[in-house]
Amino acid sequence: DAMVIQNPRYQVTQFGKPVTLSCSQTLNHNVMYWYQQKSSQAPKLLFHYYDKDFNNEADTPDNFQSRRPNTSFCFLDIRSPGLGDAAMYLCATSRDRLVMNTEAFFGQGTRLTVV
Amino acid sequence: DQQVKQNSPSLSVQEGRISILNCDYTNSMFDYFLWYKKYPAEGPTFLISISSIKDKNEDGRFTVFLNKSAKHLSLHIVPSQPGDSAVYFCAAFGGSQGNLIFGKGTKLSVKP
Repeated sequence: DAMVIQNPRYQVTQFGKPVTLSCSQTLNHNVMYWYQQKSSQAPKLLFHYYDKDFNNEADTPDNFQSRRPNTSFCFLDIRSPGLGDAAMYLCATSRDRLVMNTEAFFGQGTRLTVV
Repeated sequence: DQQVKQNSPSLSVQEGRISILNCDYTNSMFDYFLWYKKYPAEGPTFLISISSIKDKNEDGRFTVFLNKSAKHLSLHIVPSQPGDSAVYFCAAFGGSQGNLIFGKGTKLSVKP
């Protein structure tokens, strides 16, 4: 049974049109992450929530925002998608901050296409 | 500037032989390392990990070796099976903010 669920699996959006990607988890984990993975590149952390505490990476563009209305759900909002934002977006969770013996669980990802 | 490097984008191995996937890192502050396996159209799944206080961790057919002085780790799969064909990501825990830093991945193909 899927524990980290991302919807939709594939999303096509128009250049400049706001889009929201969704992630839900059944693990009751404290931490939720959003990664961006472009073709042939390593997944790159955009931001993460520790409970309600939002942690943005320094190089994450302002165009990317996130919301976590409750423990189970986390959203990635792209305010004005550009062609360069086309990528796979991965949501992950972990029970606590990543210390020894803690692993992150990933969803299947949402592949975003910008036209 | 990549902090976690997987210099081999692909590796092909015969079934039953050993697969060795390599990973190098540059940040000496990393103290926990993980390997993730990814099948097409699926998210990465956790495979095995090692903390910096160890130099080896074994789980069934999978063994991870860590050489801190060389800032190098490797994943050994013995014996390799066709079902092991996937992309393998090396990741390092990057400090107190809980940031996992990933390599670009190595695509392993195990041929029957």
